[in-house]
Amino acid sequence: QVQLVQSGAEVKKPGASVKVSCKASGYTFTSYGISWVRQAPGQGLEWMGWISAYNGNTNYAQKLQGRVTMTTDTSTSTAYMELRSLRSDDTAVYYCARGTIFGVVIWDYWGQGTLVTVSS
Amino acid sequence: DIQMTQSPSSLSASVGDRVTITCQASQDISNYLNWYQQKPGKAPKLLIYDASNLETGVPSRFSGSGSGTDFTFTISSLQPEDIATYYCQQYDNLPPRVTFGQGTRLEIK
Repeated sequence: QVQLVQSGAEVKKPGASVKVSCKASGYTFTSYGISWVRQAPGQGLEWMGWISAYNGNTNYAQKLQGRVTMTTDTSTSTAYMELRSLRSDDTAVYYCARGTIFGVVIWDYWGQGTLVTVSS
Repeated sequence: DIQMTQSPSSLSASVGDRVTITCQASQDISNYLNWYQQKPGKAPKLLIYDASNLETGVPSRFSGSGSGTDFTFTISSLQPEDIATYYCQQYDNLPPRVTFGQGTRLEIK
């Protein structure tokens, strides 16, 4: 069965970086893109960006351009999201999500979420 | 950038009620509109894709309609397990890009 398993919770200081992983199983990793979505405490969903697991192409939300990098390791079927220059308002649960055959940003499987807390 | 206006922000209804949530786009988005359900502490779940297509395994009491700028999500007969927050999601494919509505928190009266 399809699974996306994310790395564990992180606590970071302002200005630091965080790298969250998303390990896929149960399907051919390079056949579907991965998006990252975050959710601040008590707030709505925010799309961060997308990466093609086939060729590594990316598209990031304009708001995060220059601070976020998404990569994949096809040898381990793992996607990564790195966010730099962390601020307190980056505190959120970060999700990875897999695209579908209907659309690269229509998501049918999600990771369990990774809580990133930014605090001094 | 396309803006999505979702309403209402919260809604209280009784079991068996018909529930409707709307989403309005700031410009024509054709049918590139999906609906997700999110329960507390859980990842969102896809219910409707491309405005009106029911995702496999989703109960038929959920439905979606609309095109262009105005979209509607309906639960035909509210069940206790439908208590959740619902989000509309507009998307583009080239390049991939997404905007969410603000969410609708649904409660049982």
